[in-house]
Amino acid sequence: EVQLVESGGTLVQPGGSLRLSCAATGFTLSSYWMHWVRQAPGKGLVWVSRISQEGTVRDYVDSVKGRFTVSRDNAKNTVYLQMNSLRVEDTAVYYCVRDLQKFSWWGQGILVTVSS
Amino acid sequence: EIVMTQSPLSLAVTPGEPASISCRSSQSLVSSDGYIHFEWYLQKPGQSPHLLIYFGSSRASGVPDRFSGSGSGTDFTLKISRVEAEDVGIYYCMQARETPHTFGQGTKLEIK
Repeated sequence: EVQLVESGGTLVQPGGSLRLSCAATGFTLSSYWMHWVRQAPGKGLVWVSRISQEGTVRDYVDSVKGRFTVSRDNAKNTVYLQMNSLRVEDTAVYYCVRDLQKFSWWGQGILVTVSS
Repeated sequence: EIVMTQSPLSLAVTPGEPASISCRSSQSLVSSDGYIHFEWYLQKPGQSPHLLIYFGSSRASGVPDRFSGSGSGTDFTLKISRVEAEDVGIYYCMQARETPHTFGQGTKLEIK
């Protein structure tokens, strides 16, 4: 069974850092693009970042460029999102997503709260 | 950035009746390979989103055939032939033609 389990979410102060992890099971991680999508409380979905199968291509939404870094370790079946210089507006549930087309699969999401 | 605009933003439907949601993109979502990089997602209350339709009109695995997607270029439609109680939630359209991938605002479906 395909599973994506996010971890690392917590309460952090503005300006702080956090690393989210996404553990993948039930499929071959190295075969898929992986994405991060976030959802602020009561709001819609916002695509944040993606990384290609071998990690050679990484893209970001403008609002996180220079602050967030996506990476992956296919041997450990894990995808990461390093978040630096966090802002109050980064508060959201962060979803790890396999593919965003035919083979799309979403994790349960992890809450990141940025507040003083 | 490609802007995705959904309508309506909410609708209430009687069980057994049809429903339709529209989504318009600010640019064509057809790529040079001929694929339409457009998807529909449903987020049921308290759950993560899941894929309903990909490539504009292909149903994802396990999606009931009462759901259908159509459209090309910039105008797309999701139709539910006969709404059931389990269809409640927020429907999102999304483009994967280019980054940043972008979602529509969401359409909240409720049962009358």
